[in-house]
Amino acid sequence: KNEVEQSPQNLTAQEGEFITINCSYSVGISALHWLQQHPGGGIVSLFMLSSGKKKHGRLIATINIQEKHSSLHITASHPRDSAVYICAVRGWRDDKIIFGKGTRLHILP
Amino acid sequence: EAQVTQNPRYLITVTGKKLTVTCSQNMNHEYMSWYRQDPGLGLRQIYYSMNVEVTDKGDVPEGYKVSRKEKRNFPLILESPSPNQTSLYFCASSLTAPPSGANVLTFGAGSRLTVL
Repeated sequence: KNEVEQSPQNLTAQEGEFITINCSYSVGISALHWLQQHPGGGIVSLFMLSSGKKKHGRLIATINIQEKHSSLHITASHPRDSAVYICAVRGWRDDKIIFGKGTRLHILP
Repeated sequence: EAQVTQNPRYLITVTGKKLTVTCSQNMNHEYMSWYRQDPGLGLRQIYYSMNVEVTDKGDVPEGYKVSRKEKRNFPLILESPSPNQTSLYFCASSLTAPPSGANVLTFGAGSRLTVL
């Protein structure tokens, strides 16, 4: 079993829809990252969370430490949101970073 | 501009020919790390460094070496590359190690390496 599981693996939605991507992990963590990777390959950090909720524009990230679960939400989705979204956790014990396999999001105009 | 710079961006080499991928950051970050990304396997951490002269193995360190002699540089060395090291490599840095809140990861643009 992977230590970081993301769902869904692939998601296609219409422009304007509300999007939720989930991340569950099984290890103790000090932080959780949400990353975005566009088709060109570059990786951008969207959020770093250790508790609670963060919002940036149309993106919202939440984390529940007790349940070892995080969600990334996109409101009013747009075709430019099409990308791979990756969840990554930073172990509290050894500072290693473990990645989920990513969620490929495709927003149709 | 604050950034992480990797070189080369693309490289084709042959088995056994030593190569170095450089990584440099201009943000005075303490934490630096290397990852490889492979289809179906996602991103995996190779090595990381909490500060100068401190390095630790990630999940897939075999076949790689690193050094951290200066804060800004963290080169990845493949002493004897093999075809299974063909991959897309990313370097990243962050300000400090946990539990500081200011540790968002900044990634380089990636280096695509092919070993024939």
